[in-house]
Amino acid sequence: AQTIHQWPVAEIKAVGSPLSLGCTIKGKSSPNLYWYWQATGGTLQQLFYSITVGQVESVVQLNLSASRPKDDQFILSTEKLLLSHSGFYLCAWSLDRGNTGQLYFGEGSKLTVL
Amino acid sequence: QQQVRQSPQSLTVWEGETAILNCSYEDSTFDYFPWYWQFPRESPALLIAIRPVSNKKEDGRFTIFFNKREKKLSLHITDSQPGDSATYFCAASEGAGGYKVVFGSGTRLLVSP
Repeated sequence: AQTIHQWPVAEIKAVGSPLSLGCTIKGKSSPNLYWYWQATGGTLQQLFYSITVGQVESVVQLNLSASRPKDDQFILSTEKLLLSHSGFYLCAWSLDRGNTGQLYFGEGSKLTVL
Repeated sequence: QQQVRQSPQSLTVWEGETAILNCSYEDSTFDYFPWYWQFPRESPALLIAIRPVSNKKEDGRFTIFFNKREKKLSLHITDSQPGDSATYFCAASEGAGGYKVVFGSGTRLLVSP
């Protein structure tokens, strides 16, 4: 069975500080990987997706970057946090083309920027 | 910009009633429409999904009705239970070769006992 794990579970960071969130998926080779952001009580905004190691596509510009250093790992980062970065960050994976709307989410990372 | 719209924003029904959640979309290239539910302090989870080749998809008490011509769909929850209380998101994904999945703003459902 596939499992997806995100870290850290929660972070409290200062404005202007750097951030790194991670996601690891086990039990699925070459998954499509995604980062989503969700404001408290809000909808899910797709940030990035990756269909293979080393390749990441940006969906929206939010002063964030993403990388996929390994087949099973997806990293979200920024060098300088903004207040607007607060929220819930969700990593997800999907099957191949034609099933890309069928997302399986990790447990999420809650970010509070002060 | 591709958009998926949901209504109502919030909905309260009594236990045993049918809850109806609405969704509409703009882009005709969408070809997969999943619904997700999210309980407080948890991640969204796939509930049920439909493709435009069908106009109805049923899974237990949950049914999606799909109108391709009007670009509308709805989720019906029959015999609603308090445990169904959650936020429901309608989503849409692009056709083959696309990896963008767009979510609606969600409907917060409360089922009162």
